[in-house]
Amino acid sequence: DSGVTQTPKHLITATGQRVTLRCSPRSGDLSVYWYQQSLDQGLQFLIQYYNGEERAKGNILERFSAQQFPDLHSELNLSSLELGDSALYFCASSVGLAASDTQYFGPGTRLTVL
Amino acid sequence: SQQGEEDPQALSIQEGENATMNCSYKTSINNLQWYRQNSGRGLVHLILIRSNEREKHSGRLRVTLDTSKKSSSLLITASRAADTASYFCATAGANAGNMLTFGGGTRLMVKP
Repeated sequence: DSGVTQTPKHLITATGQRVTLRCSPRSGDLSVYWYQQSLDQGLQFLIQYYNGEERAKGNILERFSAQQFPDLHSELNLSSLELGDSALYFCASSVGLAASDTQYFGPGTRLTVL
Repeated sequence: SQQGEEDPQALSIQEGENATMNCSYKTSINNLQWYRQNSGRGLVHLILIRSNEREKHSGRLRVTLDTSKKSSSLLITASRAADTASYFCATAGANAGNMLTFGGGTRLMVKP
């Protein structure tokens, strides 16, 4: 158990819908990252927050947005869902911003868009 | 986009044998990390090697890094059936904060 929790574990929804994925980082970690894992794109970095502020953006679509709240939990919002958005979405957390800080991954949310 | 390639994509060995997986990357790095993923589950951090290190050990794991060739290898010695998983290398860029860029992974199967 990494100490990072993600809810829900599974999500099945229809095209055009909007969903919210939730992540609670390990106690004491200030950085939260979101990654997407799909069969065709592999594991890709989406976005990072540190202590409530956006720090880095990767291959995140404009239909996706995220935020980190004062209690440090984070939410990833996916809207106007398409079939291709079906994937495993992982949240990870680390203590800070150093490149050597280990990122601890949650169990993921499996999103299926029908 | 992915940082690099992992080789082989799949590997099947017998218990007790050694497993070697290779990773190549494209840009300058601060460090390279190896993660393990059991079938559709979360990733587990295995080991981190900094760009100024050439070799690192952790239990049955041995990682090497050749920055001139932009490549790394992960050796698992005396493999066990429980080592069956996918293994990913991930790089933290020299100038790109600490976001990780992952390779495509190697699926390892260890037969009892």
